[in-house]
Amino acid sequence: GAGVSQSPRYKVAKRGQDVALRCDPISGHVSLFWYQQALGQGPEFLTYFQNEAQLDKSGLPSDRFFAERPEGSVSTLKIQRTQQEDSAVYLCASSLVQGIAGNTIYFGEGSWLTVV
Amino acid sequence: AQKITQTQPGMFVQEKEAVTLDCTYDTSDQSYGLFWYKQPSSGEMIFLIYQGSYDEQNATEGRYSLNFQKARKSANLVISASQLGDSAMYFCAMREASNNAGNMLTFGGGTRLMVKP
Repeated sequence: GAGVSQSPRYKVAKRGQDVALRCDPISGHVSLFWYQQALGQGPEFLTYFQNEAQLDKSGLPSDRFFAERPEGSVSTLKIQRTQQEDSAVYLCASSLVQGIAGNTIYFGEGSWLTVV
Repeated sequence: AQKITQTQPGMFVQEKEAVTLDCTYDTSDQSYGLFWYKQPSSGEMIFLIYQGSYDEQNATEGRYSLNFQKARKSANLVISASQLGDSAMYFCAMREASNNAGNMLTFGGGTRLMVKP
């Protein structure tokens, strides 16, 4: 597709349930980012991939969060044993190349996770 | 310290008037980029405008312009001739060339703009 595609758009999970959020970046984009956005706040960086390599995962809040991009295109963010504080919008973004400050990062519509 | 500061949690503007959304930033990099994104209630982050740290001219994109004052480390967004559809959250963000995390974006807390008819 033309833009960054994320699924599911909305997910309600019971506390303790595992969830998987999918991101399909713009074709050919090397860089892929995951962000977490709590209600009323700006997005916070979670993790970054360059092709299939996860080069930075410093923003992942706990070891319950795991991300992968095995073939350098589609990425999955997995949250194990969800907690209420995990409720947020999870935004995926992609960018053509790394290393250029002016390279625009394009975002998907986000996956809205509510943990009950 | 906050890298991106947006001091206006909410702003009202009359339809057809201009509005300025404030953004200040903090970096020791010489090479960086400043971005503004619009986020309507649907949740998508829509790219509006970009300013490079070495750009001498202020960026403009249609009704959007960026008032870049490098010495003051400010990058205010100016929206001219506001429209009802401009009502949304607006985020200022920075991308530093030296950042190891793929030049990730660092966001401010956002400003909610409400356009009055």
